[in-house]
Amino acid sequence: NAGVTQTPKFQVLKTGQSMTLQCAQDMNHEYMSWYRQDPGMGLRLIHYSVGAGITDQGEVPNGYNVSRSTTEDFPLRLLSAAPSQTSVYFCASSPDWAGELFFGEGSRLTVL
Amino acid sequence: QQQVKQSPQSLIVQKGGISIINCAYENTAFDYFPWYQQFPGKGPALLIAIRPDVSEKKEGRFTISFNKSAKQFSLHIMDSQPGDSATYFCAASRGSEKLVFGKGTKLTVNP
Repeated sequence: NAGVTQTPKFQVLKTGQSMTLQCAQDMNHEYMSWYRQDPGMGLRLIHYSVGAGITDQGEVPNGYNVSRSTTEDFPLRLLSAAPSQTSVYFCASSPDWAGELFFGEGSRLTVL
Repeated sequence: QQQVKQSPQSLIVQKGGISIINCAYENTAFDYFPWYQQFPGKGPALLIAIRPDVSEKKEGRFTISFNKSAKQFSLHIMDSQPGDSATYFCAASRGSEKLVFGKGTKLTVNP
């Protein structure tokens, strides 16, 4: 029972590099979202999707892109990495916003 | 604007003690109040949730107390155990809108 799977678990980038964090869920959830977690800042919403082909910005979207071509996958793209994007990133899915969020185990990104 | 304020930021409790984490909110339209538990190196997971039609919900050693007039809700962990050591997040939402999270409380339960 996989749930929400994130890859990679760890990544080190140099400033200016780009990369994609992958997220896949096997629960047929319509809602998917990306959060970043920083010490003392809690969980901040980056982007979210309410279904295939539909995405929207969250609280801290700058420097990130998303797409949702299938129900299962919701990749997060860093266009030009900056040290301020050093963080732990979590992908989550849910049947709806008012219900339980299912989180992946996180991807720890360091930008040098 | 922080819509859900959580305190304390960190908490140290002895084994067997009671852990209490508090959250306050501003939006009276919120109608769903979950708590998430996060162990080191893992993603958060739903622990317990409450809706404002009840003042208390208990699941095992975990209890949510809800005070609608004060716009506050709290998590009580009775007989705290070292295995309860984790970061706890409160959250709130309205209808089908997105969850708003508190900033988290790191709980350490000493043996």
